Amino acid sequence: EVQLVESGGGLVQPGGSLRLSCVVSGFTFSSYWMHWVRQAPGKGLVWVSRIDPDGSDTTYADSVKGRFTISRDNAKNTLYLQMNSLRAEDTAVYYCASQSFGSGKYYPFDCWGQGTLVAVSP
Amino acid sequence: DFVMTQSPDSLAVSLGERATINCKSSQSVLYSSNNKDYLAWYQQKPGQPPKLLIYWASTRESGVPDRFSGSGSGTDFTLSISSLQAEDVAVYYCQQYWGSPYTFGQGTKLEIK
Repeated sequence: EVQLVESGGGLVQPGGSLRLSCVVSGFTFSSYWMHWVRQAPGKGLVWVSRIDPDGSDTTYADSVKGRFTISRDNAKNTLYLQMNSLRAEDTAVYYCASQSFGSGKYYPFDCWGQGTLVAVSP
Repeated sequence: DFVMTQSPDSLAVSLGERATINCKSSQSVLYSSNNKDYLAWYQQKPGQPPKLLIYWASTRESGVPDRFSGSGSGTDFTLSISSLQAEDVAVYYCQQYWGSPYTFGQGTKLEIK
């Protein structure tokens, strides 16, 4: 059974930092592109970042570029999102998602974690 | 960037009736080399993560009931639920995965009339 389990969310002050983790099991993590997607309370889905299977190719939404860093440890089957200079508008549930249909970058997001809530507030 | 626009924003349909949700992309998501539309539909129930329903615009994900179907090509797409069941109450999102940013539509909230 495929499982993606996020952790690391919490309450942080504006300007602060958090690191999210997503532990994956049930498929060959090192073969697939991975993503972070966020959802502000009561709002829609917004793609945040992606990373290629070996961690060398990363892309970010303009809203987080320069503040967030995606990375992965294939030996630990774990995806990360380092979030710095956090703002109130970063408040959201953060989901990790996989593209395990194939090793290319253009596939749908077939598996999602349950999400972890990040709240940025004084 | 691709802009995905769904209509309507909300929809109320009677049990057993057909529900139809539309999605329009600002640019074509059809890749001519393989004739595939890079368009997916997701279902999100309250308190749950999104679930993939349809990909390549019309291919049902494994385990998805056959009352769900996707159609369209290029820039205009439709998700149809042929006979609405109570468990289909959810928010539905379209998404293009042709390139980053992987944009989603704003969502359509489906309720029972």
